[in-house]
Amino acid sequence: GEDVEQSLFLSVREGDSSVINCTYTDSSSTYLYWYKQEPGAGLQLLTYIFSNMDMKQDQRLTVLLNKKDKHLSLRIADTQTGDSAIYFCAERPGTGFQKLVFGTGTRLLVSP
Amino acid sequence: DAGVIQSPRHEVTEMGQEVTLRCKPISGHNSLFWYRQTMMRGLELLIYFNNNVPIDDSGMPEDRFSAKMPNASFSTLKIQPSEPRDSAVYFCASRRTSGRDEQFFGPGTRLTVL
Repeated sequence: GEDVEQSLFLSVREGDSSVINCTYTDSSSTYLYWYKQEPGAGLQLLTYIFSNMDMKQDQRLTVLLNKKDKHLSLRIADTQTGDSAIYFCAERPGTGFQKLVFGTGTRLLVSP
Repeated sequence: DAGVIQSPRHEVTEMGQEVTLRCKPISGHNSLFWYRQTMMRGLELLIYFNNNVPIDDSGMPEDRFSAKMPNASFSTLKIQPSEPRDSAVYFCASRRTSGRDEQFFGPGTRLTVL
């Protein structure tokens, strides 16, 4: 089955690193994504990783993929107050025609 | 490009009334998705279309919900009759088949059914 799980809440201080974790169940997933949702807005793609990669870095963002454990993480370096938002992990199942399966979302709160 | 456009942004209606939500996808995108977001259930995929054809409507909660895509630039999600438990934020997203598989989300319609 398809199921994506995340912790619901993370609180950090400005300047610290944030690590948001996600587990998924479909081992045939081709792409895995991180989306960001700011208050009152829709989701916006932050970054993604192809399933044959272990790591992807994009400026302050680092994505780590452990396929054996079906574990995905998003690390935000030097977290800023503007990073406060809900972060969604999503997988594209290997059998799902174009649809994404989203996690429950992790609310990140960055305090000054 | 204006991005995905949804209307209205906010809708308040009374139980039993018909509600129609509208979406204009990004030009050139050939897949369109309707999602519902609530605190209790998170983000749920209701239905999606590919080239204007419904592919998977297994997420539509019940017969009171229907969605159409009469052409590549317009889609509607209708609830008739509406109930208080339908209160949620409804998102439309579109995607182009080629490329990095990114879905572009609209700003959402916040529906409140009294």
